[in-house]
Amino acid sequence: ETGVTQTPRHLVMGMTNKKSLKCEQHLGHNAMYWYKQSAKKPLELMFVYNFKEQTENNSVPSRFSPECPNSSHLFLHLHTLQPEDSALYLCASSPGTSGESYEQYFGPGTRLTVT
Amino acid sequence: GQNIDQPTEMTATEGAIVQINCTYQTSGFNGLFWYQQHAGEAPTFLSYNVLDGLEEKGRFSSFLSRSKGYSYLLLKELQMKDSASYLCAVRDSNYQLIWGAGTKLIIKP
Repeated sequence: ETGVTQTPRHLVMGMTNKKSLKCEQHLGHNAMYWYKQSAKKPLELMFVYNFKEQTENNSVPSRFSPECPNSSHLFLHLHTLQPEDSALYLCASSPGTSGESYEQYFGPGTRLTVT
Repeated sequence: GQNIDQPTEMTATEGAIVQINCTYQTSGFNGLFWYQQHAGEAPTFLSYNVLDGLEEKGRFSSFLSRSKGYSYLLLKELQMKDSASYLCAVRDSNYQLIWGAGTKLIIKP
């Protein structure tokens, strides 16, 4: 595997379910990100981890719970979601979080539908 | 507040040239990025500008004017595979990326 991978690619869940999204990066990067992408809206940054430590939480509801066990893996645990949480959830990684150009490398995303 | 503006949708003809504009108002500036995103796929990095001027990379070029808070992405010799959304993002003083909503580019034969 190369780059950034995400599983599952598609997920349908009820509002009372608990599920987890997984992201893995094979680039040796130190920073990982969760974004939410809704139709015709800008990417919304949810969480940032740098060297496994959470450095950003952009006022995300507690029904989204991130976990970063090491610099290569990132999870997003979901519970009691709302229909408006239906979106594409993108994971990204970068060498660091400041300095130089540090473009972010994205995974293919998980298309989440909450019913 | 911080804001990135780009057109919602543009249409161009195969073989032609198209310019996608991006204007921004952010707290500080530490570079501007352009990404390409095909439907159902991950955004992929196209270009990075931190100084004023034009950066050319094959058929794609990106221009920046920091004093005007303005950038554009120029695509030449358009191909059908260039049909995608193009995302503009600015890195602010905290090194956070502020994203535009994207411009959907439709290429017609």
